[in-house]
Amino acid sequence: AQTVTQSQPEMSVQEAETVTLSCTYDTSESDYYLFWYKQPPSRQMILVIRQEAYKQQNATENRFSVNFQKAAKSFSLKISDSQLGDAAMYFCAYRKGLGGATNKLIFGTGTLLAVQP
Amino acid sequence: DADVTQTPRNRITKTGKRIMLECSQTKGHDRMYWYRQDPGLGLRLIYYSFDVKDINKGEISDGYSVSRQAQAKFSLSLESAIPNQTALYFCATSPSKYTDTQYFGPGTRLTVL
Repeated sequence: AQTVTQSQPEMSVQEAETVTLSCTYDTSESDYYLFWYKQPPSRQMILVIRQEAYKQQNATENRFSVNFQKAAKSFSLKISDSQLGDAAMYFCAYRKGLGGATNKLIFGTGTLLAVQP
Repeated sequence: DADVTQTPRNRITKTGKRIMLECSQTKGHDRMYWYRQDPGLGLRLIYYSFDVKDINKGEISDGYSVSRQAQAKFSLSLESAIPNQTALYFCATSPSKYTDTQYFGPGTRLTVL
């Protein structure tokens, strides 16, 4: 069974600095997708970034980028120029490749990011 | 207007009561999901539906039932609520099995006393 592990329950970063959130996963599949979701105090789950396993290039969305290491099964999120609005719980999630039966997302336990002014 | 809505946003109930959580979407997506979030456990899948006639159990379906009344509506019921069902519940949608992204509603905070 696939699993997703986030080993950092809490992280803190100074405003304007860079922070990296860690995520590792376990799967025997070769085709899959990885996601980072942000959950601010409003509770809304917001998609931050996604990565296709078959793509070697790391995904980037403005200040958010990932370091995808397929062989190591590692998928870390880097937030550059951190802003107060980045403070939230961040979840890493895994999904089997397209055409899979469920579209089921498997989530990690989350990392709570605090941004210090 | 939000694409995926959930009602109620917050609910407090007593042990043994029947509770229904509702989810509606205007995205026109076929697939809908119910997740439960507990502190320290992330989100876990309760039920999912590929269309009105196709409903499937997720990893933690015991104590829950669902109804897909229409493409746009997917309800989650707790027939006899118990305190360990206190959690944050999310509805999500996705267009088809060929699209990987799921879109989440705002969540329902349920407390069972």
